[in-house]
Amino acid sequence: EVQLVQSGAEVKKPGESLKISCEGSGYTFNTYWIGWVRQMPGKGLEWMGIIYPGDSDTRYSPSFQGQVTISADKSISTAYLQWSNLRASDTAMYYCARGRSSSWYEYAYWGQGTLVTVSS
Amino acid sequence: DIQMTQSPSSLSASVGDRVTITCRASLKIDTYLNWFQQKPGEAPKLLIYAASSLQSGVPSRFSGSGSGTDFTLAISGLQPEDSATYYCQQSYTAPQYTFGQGTKLEIK
Repeated sequence: EVQLVQSGAEVKKPGESLKISCEGSGYTFNTYWIGWVRQMPGKGLEWMGIIYPGDSDTRYSPSFQGQVTISADKSISTAYLQWSNLRASDTAMYYCARGRSSSWYEYAYWGQGTLVTVSS
Repeated sequence: DIQMTQSPSSLSASVGDRVTITCRASLKIDTYLNWFQQKPGEAPKLLIYAASSLQSGVPSRFSGSGSGTDFTLAISGLQPEDSATYYCQQSYTAPQYTFGQGTKLEIK
């Protein structure tokens, strides 16, 4: 069974750094794209970027380029989303998602979400 | 950027009804269109991919159609558990995907 398990909720202060994780199991981690999606409180879904763990090919949506870093460690089947300088506006639920197939057109498997709260 | 516009923003229907949600792309996207369902407190769930293909495990009362710029998600024989927000997403410009703003469906 394909599963994506995300790290737990975080409470941080503005200016702090943070790295959240998404561990895949039940499939060959290296061979499927993993994406990250933001959902701000009460708002819709925004695609942040994707990574192919096999070769760490990473693509960002323009709105998130330079704002976050996506990475993966295929040795432990885990993808990451990190910030170096959190802002209050980063407060949101963050989801990771895996491609339905080996292509990058549809994402069928989702993690449970990680709630990030940034407040002074 | 390709903009995705859903209508209506919200709707209310009764158990057993058939409802449709439309999604319009600002440019032609062939059939690179996916539909998701999201219930409160849950992750999104893929319902339909490539405009009309039903994701494994999704009830057959869900169906999708369209190509180019205009797409439709139809739900027939509404069930109480279909109460959710529905999002369309274009993947034509993958990996620069964009979602519609969402349609909130309430079951009376």
